[in-house]
Amino acid sequence: SQKIEQNSEALNIQEGKTATLTCNYTNYSPAYLQWYRQDPGRGPVFLLLIRENEKEKRKERLKVTFDTTLKQSLFHITASQPADSATYLCALEDGAGNMLTFGGGTRLMVKP
Amino acid sequence: DAGVIQSPRHEVTEMGQEVTLRCKPISGHNSLFWYRQTMMRGLELLIYFNNNVPIDDSGMPEDRFSAKMPNASFSTLKIQPSEPRDSAVYFCASSLSAGRESQPQHFGDGTRLSIL
Repeated sequence: SQKIEQNSEALNIQEGKTATLTCNYTNYSPAYLQWYRQDPGRGPVFLLLIRENEKEKRKERLKVTFDTTLKQSLFHITASQPADSATYLCALEDGAGNMLTFGGGTRLMVKP
Repeated sequence: DAGVIQSPRHEVTEMGQEVTLRCKPISGHNSLFWYRQTMMRGLELLIYFNNNVPIDDSGMPEDRFSAKMPNASFSTLKIQPSEPRDSAVYFCASSLSAGRESQPQHFGDGTRLSIL
């Protein structure tokens, strides 16, 4: 069956360091992968989208990679700040429509 | 610009009662999604509308759940009768569908539903 795995344990890092979050998938051939941020009591907020034929995408301090051979996406936040503390969700789309399948999310805690 | 608006933000009711959740998508968006989020199962897609037409409802858990989109600016998700296991946060999201190209989804802040 299709499975999307994100580290369920919280990631704790020091302010100023680079945070790296992982999204692995099996039995899936996504055409697109999206990353969202979710704060407590709020809905997810879109951050970045990457296509299967793109290796890397950047936006300000954010960088996403997409390796269809390893079936993995990495999400990096450089020069992390306490305000980056949130849960980050990856979502896959197979390209047949607009339906997303979400991973369970990883909670990031950036300590000052 | 107003984002996706959901109401109510919180709902507490007794099992067996009918529950109606409401969503106003972003103006101009032609796709609407209902999700349910729990600690155990994460964020799950329940149903997806495109141009007010239900496209995929395979995520709707049971016949007790129904969703409608009578026009481009309003959708409802109804649970009748409600059960304690329906307790979750329900999100509505909308996007501007552009053929097969993936588009970001814009989420509301959800309805936290508690069934006693």
